[in-house]
Amino acid sequence: KQEVTQIPAALSVPEGENLVLNCSFTDSAIYNLQWFRQDPGKGLTSLLLIQSSQREQTSGRLNASLDKSSGRSTLYIAASQPGDSATYLCAAAPSGGSYIPTFGRGTSLIVHP
Amino acid sequence: DGGITQSPKYLFRKEGQNVTLSCEQNLNHDAMYWYRQDPGQGLRLIYYSQIVNDFQKGDIAEGYSVSREKKESFPLTVTSAQKNPTAFYLCASSTGISPLHFGNGTRLTVT
Repeated sequence: KQEVTQIPAALSVPEGENLVLNCSFTDSAIYNLQWFRQDPGKGLTSLLLIQSSQREQTSGRLNASLDKSSGRSTLYIAASQPGDSATYLCAAAPSGGSYIPTFGRGTSLIVHP
Repeated sequence: DGGITQSPKYLFRKEGQNVTLSCEQNLNHDAMYWYRQDPGQGLRLIYYSQIVNDFQKGDIAEGYSVSREKKESFPLTVTSAQKNPTAFYLCASSTGISPLHFGNGTRLTVT
């Protein structure tokens, strides 16, 4: 059964720092990997989705990479801002079958001014 | 605007009562999902439906029931058999292989 782990569980940084959030998964037979943002008391907002055939995706200050062979994905946030404070979750969807993703527990990020 | 609407945002119930959480989408997505989120935990799948009139149990289906009579709607009933129902419930939809789209959640408190 797929297991998804996110490290670190929490992170507090000063504004302006470049950040790397890590996501690892045990089964490399994935269809895609998705990164989400969750603000307190809210639902999840999709940030980036990487198909299994892709190596990375970029959106603004966010860049997500995927290395299936090592079972890892990273989310890079450039020049962090207080508005980036949120919980970031990754989810790996299996190839074949239901495509239902398995979620990690998330990294809680605080960016202080 | 297309999206997923969950209602109500907050729900309070007495122990022993069944309660139904609403989830409606206008994205024309075939697949819909219910997740439960507890503090410090990842999302756990309760039920999912990939087509109308069909649904499957997820990892933690005990004490829950669903129906999928319309493509747009996937209500979740939390029954009195659910041992620890207080949680944040999230509904999502997708085309099946596309990114998941989430609603804003319903926070259920049972006392």
